[in-house]
Amino acid sequence: NAGVTQTPKFRVLKTGQSMTLLCAQDMNHEYMYWYRQDPGMGLRLIHYSVGEGTTAKGEVPDGYNVSRLKKQNFLLGLESAAPSQTSVYFCASSSTGLAANEQFFGPGTRLTVL
Amino acid sequence: AQSVAQPEDQVNVAEGNPLTVKCTYSVSGNPYLFWYVQYPNRGLQFLLKYITGDNLVKGSYGFEAEFNKSQTSFHLKKPSALVSDSALYFCAVRDSGATNKLIFGTGTLLAVQP
Repeated sequence: NAGVTQTPKFRVLKTGQSMTLLCAQDMNHEYMYWYRQDPGMGLRLIHYSVGEGTTAKGEVPDGYNVSRLKKQNFLLGLESAAPSQTSVYFCASSSTGLAANEQFFGPGTRLTVL
Repeated sequence: AQSVAQPEDQVNVAEGNPLTVKCTYSVSGNPYLFWYVQYPNRGLQFLLKYITGDNLVKGSYGFEAEFNKSQTSFHLKKPSALVSDSALYFCAVRDSGATNKLIFGTGTLLAVQP
């Protein structure tokens, strides 16, 4: 099993450009999450999904959109990138119930917005 | 509001010595507590959790954590540190308002010197 994979690994954007980050998991997990990691701030939840076709806002959702059209995929979109969105983005997935908090993380995407 | 605090940005320890990484929490109700580890250029990995029961929880790679309700702490410990333990450690608490979500601390960098 590949676990959680993220595409791309690195990306440089100019201000105002758009892009989509792809997350895929092969563990048949119901829950999926997008986080951003910034120095001194830990991980902050952007959006999450509790099942195919459902999404919800996390702690820092502004400037991002997500979609979960298939159970195994969770897409994070930036419509008009800003320098404040320079960060490392992590996708995670988990099962349900008490295992919901044992999250499996992807390797991350390092995004720089110039 | 629920939160976790990791008061030390960095902990330095010599190989073979015991290590402690501190975490305190603030929650309403019973806390569900977690430790995750992040090795360089990798996603986070689940280490251990406290849900209920024995206050001393054992996890992966020889780590353990002690839950102390009176001090609202959940410190991560290991009797003998290895250089390979050098990584970024995150404490997290389950969000009581949405039980599939975690609230992460800001992380503590553990540096083990040979």
